[in-house]
Amino acid sequence: DVKVTQSSRYLVKRTGEKVFLECVQDMDHENMFWYRQDPGLGLRLIYFSYDVKMKEKGDIPEGYSVSREKKERFSLILESASTNQTSMYLCASNFRGREQFFGPGTRLTVL
Amino acid sequence: GNSVTQMEGPVTLSEEAFLTINCTYTATGYPSLFWYVQYPGEGLQLLLKATKADDKGSNKGFEATYRKETTSFHLEKGSVQVSDSAVYFCALRSGGGADGLTFGKGTHLIIQP
Repeated sequence: DVKVTQSSRYLVKRTGEKVFLECVQDMDHENMFWYRQDPGLGLRLIYFSYDVKMKEKGDIPEGYSVSREKKERFSLILESASTNQTSMYLCASNFRGREQFFGPGTRLTVL
Repeated sequence: GNSVTQMEGPVTLSEEAFLTINCTYTATGYPSLFWYVQYPGEGLQLLLKATKADDKGSNKGFEATYRKETTSFHLEKGSVQVSDSAVYFCALRSGGGADGLTFGKGTHLIIQP
């Protein structure tokens, strides 16, 4: 079975802190994605990557950056966390043209 | 740009009732269409998909038909169970596999015994 794991299920940070969210997939997928999920807004794409060291902005990249140094790992970085970044963050991966597999999510609270 | 509109919930039904969750979309070209389900405390799972017009996706008793003329992909099930209680997301992908998905806002379905 494809497995997408995220480093934390719950995270609490302070405003202004630098935050790293980690995602690892074990199926050698080319593509990896970061979404945030908010009530009433559904899921929105933050960034995606189609290869190591490659990244593309999604619909809402402001305030975020990403890193993909290895094929299996895709990190989302909040350089200076703000309260409006409190959300559920979901990572996904896939082979080109195939279904996306999602991780369990990280619920981030910024105080 | 791309967008997906789905009926907002919560939708509350009794066990064995017929379910329809409406989904319509706006996209350029010929998108692929998906329904994902999110059970409490879990990530999203693909429920079914359709990649071209008139295709019908089906899984676990759920069905949806890709209707290009009405730009719709409504989710249906003939007899729901309590275990179907979850949040359902309609989504589309207009590019190749590297493109992210565009999601609707989600429909919370509650099935009462």
